[in-house]
Amino acid sequence: DADVTQTPRNRITKTGKRIMLECSQTKGHDRMYWYRQDPGLGLRLIYYSFDVKDINKGEISDGYSVSRQAQAKFSLSLESAIPNQTALYFCATSEQGNQPQHFGDGTRLSIL
Amino acid sequence: GQSLEQPSEVTAVEGAIVQINCTYQTSGFYGLSWYQQHDGGAPTFLSYNGLDGLEETGRFSSFLSRSDSYGYLLLQELQMKDSASYFCAVRPHNQAGTALIFGKGTTLSVSS
Repeated sequence: DADVTQTPRNRITKTGKRIMLECSQTKGHDRMYWYRQDPGLGLRLIYYSFDVKDINKGEISDGYSVSRQAQAKFSLSLESAIPNQTALYFCATSEQGNQPQHFGDGTRLSIL
Repeated sequence: GQSLEQPSEVTAVEGAIVQINCTYQTSGFYGLSWYQQHDGGAPTFLSYNGLDGLEETGRFSSFLSRSDSYGYLLLQELQMKDSASYFCAVRPHNQAGTALIFGKGTTLSVSS
């Protein structure tokens, strides 16, 4: 079983819809992250959380919101999806300090 | 601000050695990490350099020189399965935690 699980794996939706991407982890890590990946642009940080109720904006937070309801769960929402939010989205977790990040398998989101 | 520069593509043959460079402009960071990603799958951690010098893990080595604002990932005895994208990443001093800033990635193609 995966340590970091993202749902759904794929989603196609229409402009203006509200979308929620879920991430859950069994690694017991306090720190969780959401990234977006576009071809040729690498991974860009959207939001991150160091603990329950702790939320921090990343490089490209506009148009997104997050919720950290429990240590194991970190969800990403697009309140009103637009086509340029079409991308591959990754959730990741880590321990404190210089420990590596552990990524989920990603959610491929297409907005028409 | 921070930016990391990597070559977009590198090609090599099986058994060869390849070096993927990462140059950066940042006001300060805790260390340089490398991640591998196969075909849009989950990025996986390869190595971390907190101090200047060489770190070796099997066929892979990573190097950091803070005075030269430069690092590299060295892959030896290349295998077909090493065909993937490789990302360098830093954790800037101005982020109180472990959020990473990634380069845009280098696509390595290994041929027989």
